Amino acid sequence: AQKITQTQPGMFVQEKEAVTLDCTYDTSDQSYGLFWYKQPSSGEMIFLIYQGSYDEQNATEGRYSLNFQKARKSANLVISASQLGDSAMYFCAMRASTDSWGKFQFGAGTQVVVTP
Amino acid sequence: NAGVTQTPKFQVLKTGQSMTLQCAQDMNHNSMYWYRQDPGMGLRLIYYSASEGTTDKGEVPNGYNVSRLNKREFSLRLESAAPSQTSVYFCASSEAGLGFSGEQFFGPGTRLTVL
Repeated sequence: AQKITQTQPGMFVQEKEAVTLDCTYDTSDQSYGLFWYKQPSSGEMIFLIYQGSYDEQNATEGRYSLNFQKARKSANLVISASQLGDSAMYFCAMRASTDSWGKFQFGAGTQVVVTP
Repeated sequence: NAGVTQTPKFQVLKTGQSMTLQCAQDMNHNSMYWYRQDPGMGLRLIYYSASEGTTDKGEVPNGYNVSRLNKREFSLRLESAAPSQTSVYFCASSEAGLGFSGEQFFGPGTRLTVL
């Protein structure tokens, strides 16, 4: 079974600084995908970034980058130049080939608060 | 495109009442999902449907039933609501199949309170 662990329940970060959100995963699959989602206080789930297990380069999307360390089974999200609008809950998720790419497994989330 | 739509947005039930949450997507996705999110917790999968005509149990299926009516629609039914089912319910859809890069698209959620 797949498992996602986010060990940081909450973080404070100052505006314009970078923040790293930790995510570790456990799978015996060789083929899997890792995702990060943002959930602001309004409640919607917003897809941020994706990393495939065979991708050699770390994924980047604007101010978001994914620090993928396959041997350590970690997929940390880095948000550069934090903005007040980045205050939200962030979830790491994974889907894997043994679930026929169907099921996603989510972590418990990290609450980020950006302060002026 | 509306993406993933859910109805209703809010619902209050009494213990023992039944209701159906509706979900529809217009992205021609094969896979659809129902999750629940409790305070301070991540999303837990209730049921999912890999394609029209198939459904599978997720992590927390007890007390729920689902119907994949067609490719667009996936409904979640609570036959006899219990206070433990008070939660926010999200429907989602994605592509599935040979690749795994398809992210999930989520509906806006249904906030359900069972008294």
